[in-house]
Amino acid sequence: GAGVSQSPSNKVTEKGKDVELRCDPISGHTALYWYRQSLGQGLEFLIYFQGNSAPDKSGLPSDRFSAERTGGSVSTLTIQRTQQEDSAVYLCASSPRDRGLSADTQYFGPGTRLTVL
Amino acid sequence: GESVGLHLPTLSVQEGDNSIINCAYSNSASDYFIWYKQESGKGPQFIIDIRSNMDKRQGQRVTVLLNKTVKHLSLQIAATQPGDSAVYFCSRPGYALNFGKGTSLLVTP
Repeated sequence: GAGVSQSPSNKVTEKGKDVELRCDPISGHTALYWYRQSLGQGLEFLIYFQGNSAPDKSGLPSDRFSAERTGGSVSTLTIQRTQQEDSAVYLCASSPRDRGLSADTQYFGPGTRLTVL
Repeated sequence: GESVGLHLPTLSVQEGDNSIINCAYSNSASDYFIWYKQESGKGPQFIIDIRSNMDKRQGQRVTVLLNKTVKHLSLQIAATQPGDSAVYFCSRPGYALNFGKGTSLLVTP
């Protein structure tokens, strides 16, 4: 596709339920990132995938959060037993190569707005 | 560790004026900075980048200045327009990507 897409765009769930958020990166991009953005806050790094390497999960806030990336393309972020503090916009980004210190531009999707009641 | 932060959370400017958004960093090993713009309801979008071997880089109506002596960079927007209203993030990509809270730019008519 032309850009990073995410689905759903909005998700309202009840406390305690599990949710799955999907990210379709730009075709050919090997790096994929998940971020969380609470209202009025900056981007909080969650997890990073690069090719076939083990993901960098250092930003996941708790073991209720997990993510996978199938076939080096689509990624799913799963939040189990959601809590009200999980309410935020979840952003996905992809970049064409490893970030490292030489860095790379990230292309962001529109995000999924999650509301936990 | 690395921290990239913004001096001011909000900036209000009149349409047509120039805007300056500032950012400080702490790690001198930084070799690459990116400015992103995030409009309401959208994900951040790349504006301009600068490498540490440069002091200045210009784009269309935007200029980024890098002062390595005081570890400071700024984004200057010329002739600010209503469409420039957004949150602006400076970022140093790396192992622990850090965007900070951003500066909210509000352009008034």
